[in-house]
Amino acid sequence: SQQGEEDPQALSIQEGENATMNCSYKTSINNLQWYRQNSGRGLVHLILIRSNEREKHSGRLRVTLDTSKKSSSLLITASGAADTASYFCATATASGTYKYIFGTGTRLKVLA
Amino acid sequence: SAVISQKPSRDICQRGTSLTIQCQVDSQVTMMFWYRQQPGQSLTLIATANQGSEATYESGFVIDKFPISRPNLTFSTLTVSNMSPEDSSIYLCSVVTSGNTIYFGEGSWLTVV
Repeated sequence: SQQGEEDPQALSIQEGENATMNCSYKTSINNLQWYRQNSGRGLVHLILIRSNEREKHSGRLRVTLDTSKKSSSLLITASGAADTASYFCATATASGTYKYIFGTGTRLKVLA
Repeated sequence: SAVISQKPSRDICQRGTSLTIQCQVDSQVTMMFWYRQQPGQSLTLIATANQGSEATYESGFVIDKFPISRPNLTFSTLTVSNMSPEDSSIYLCSVVTSGNTIYFGEGSWLTVV
């Protein structure tokens, strides 16, 4: 079953705008990761945030984690056409099995 | 990091046949996993490929349908057996490194006709 639910399911923005997508999960986690997938290709790792971290940055990406609300958000600033993709969150349970469960995904379209 | 090669990248298969997907990693890894992504959907974990022992399957997936081999720490295969159109999906091999990051192959697109 899906661990994570993401919203929105789809998002269209203009080039240069910021995009925010959210991920909610159900059980305690060890860490949460965000991935990008371009048009049915393999997934590219974006960022990992551990359960004891609240915010993390990587270039134009900002990820927050609120373990009390069991939610995370991914912010992409100054978006460009190359950011058009599907974005997934993945969570590993605190039991440390290294089995990652993926969210439902957000399809982002950046319009020129 | 880890570089993962998957073969085939794409195939069209006849109903009732079987196809084996290969996954090669450029370094030795303990954890290898196989995921399925049906059209327009998220990823679903099929099984954990264990080196030297039988794979561990998730609920809804069975060994007879998805036999997995893991002969060493850099290689694994997933076979999709007796295929039906419902098996049309992207199949993805992944590994987890010591830093807990998951790396994926480019995926194998299967279309069953």
